[in-house]
Amino acid sequence: DTGVSQDPRHKITKRGQNVTFRCDPISEHNRLYWYRQTLGQGPEFLTYFQNEAQLEKSRLLSDRFSAERPKGSFSTLEIQRTEQGDSAMYLCASSLVIYSGDAYEQYFGPGTRLTVT
Amino acid sequence: AQTVTQSQPEMSVQEAETVTLSCTYDTSESNYYLFWYKQPPSRQMILVIRQEAYKQQNATENRFSVNFQKAAKSFSLKISDSQLGDTAMYFCAFMKQGAGANSKLTFGKGITLSVRP
Repeated sequence: DTGVSQDPRHKITKRGQNVTFRCDPISEHNRLYWYRQTLGQGPEFLTYFQNEAQLEKSRLLSDRFSAERPKGSFSTLEIQRTEQGDSAMYLCASSLVIYSGDAYEQYFGPGTRLTVT
Repeated sequence: AQTVTQSQPEMSVQEAETVTLSCTYDTSESNYYLFWYKQPPSRQMILVIRQEAYKQQNATENRFSVNFQKAAKSFSLKISDSQLGDTAMYFCAFMKQGAGANSKLTFGKGITLSVRP
């Protein structure tokens, strides 16, 4: 088990461009979460998947953001028409949830640091 | 909605000494979990310790222990025998418990802990 991986680790893009990030969770984990962390702040929840179903999206996730988890394996997070305010660390986490509502450890990836110039 | 407050932005401790990191939270939920996560410089976030709100006994994991005061909504982390490897950012986090809960974490802003040799 190699843990949660994210690609790329760093992305620099110009304002207005589209970017896509990938997250590979721990293989048997059925839940996958995306968080955003800006400098000096704690991570903020963006969205999560139970297998391939996207079950909740934060109001932080504007229409320019879209996430997918085809076949319940890896996930992608796309940001269209990037803005300078999108500059942040995007964290992915996964967990194996057996009973909904119980707390299972979320394993975090190293994050993708996005800089929008 | 839940809020988690970490009012100390930075702390420093001498190696081998004990340090306590503070956290308060606000919620109307009765059943929940509380966590401390550690984020070392340029490395991924890992779980340090967790506490179930229904348990009166404070959680302990080796050198790490918590002081959970449910009525005061306080959840502090004590690190004993501090080691250089404890240098990191520490986040306090909240998770709702119960059927239908989405297991998303609500984080505080974090505290930067430096262990001095």
